[in-house]
Amino acid sequence: EVQLVESGGGLVQPGGSLRLSCAASGFTFSSYEMNWVRQAPGKGLEWVSYISSSGSAIYYADSVKGRFTVSRDNAKNSLFLQMSSLRAEDTAVYYCARVGSSADGAFDIWGQGTMVTVSS
Amino acid sequence: DIQMTQSPSTLSASVGDRVTITCRASQSISSWLAWYQQKPGKAPKLLIYKASSLENGVPSRFSGSGSGTEFTLTISSLQPDDFATYYCQQYNSYWTFGQGTKVEIK
Repeated sequence: EVQLVESGGGLVQPGGSLRLSCAASGFTFSSYEMNWVRQAPGKGLEWVSYISSSGSAIYYADSVKGRFTVSRDNAKNSLFLQMSSLRAEDTAVYYCARVGSSADGAFDIWGQGTMVTVSS
Repeated sequence: DIQMTQSPSTLSASVGDRVTITCRASQSISSWLAWYQQKPGKAPKLLIYKASSLENGVPSRFSGSGSGTEFTLTISSLQPDDFATYYCQQYNSYWTFGQGTKVEIK
């Protein structure tokens, strides 16, 4: 079964750091581009970051640029999001999402999400 | 940055109704548009990609149309499982989502 499973969320103080992980299974992870998308409580979806299949191309939303770092380990079928200098407005469910090769660039597989709460 | 605007924000409808949701882009995105369905507490699910292509396994009552800056998602006959929030997403230049349309029971 094609699956993405996020982990690493939790409660962190403002200014703190957190590292999210996304474990992929059921497909050749190294062949797919990946993204992080977040959703604040009761709000809509916000794209956060993109990484190409090899990791050579990386993009960030302006709201997280300079604070978040995306990476991947293709040997371990894993995607990561290192978050630092966290703010209250970073509180959200964080999803990893696969760019579908047959979906022409849309996000065809999503994880279940991991909750990040930034609060003192 | 490309902005995506959905309308309406909320839609009240009954089972069997034909439902249409509109998404407008702030500049042309050709056909690089997707539609997602999200239910409370769940991850989004891809319905439509490249404006009008139906994702595998998605019921044929869902359809998408449009190009350039104006797009629509149509549900031909609303079913009980379709009450959810729907998002459009452009992927012509980076990625941007619309604010969502909640389809409620009338």
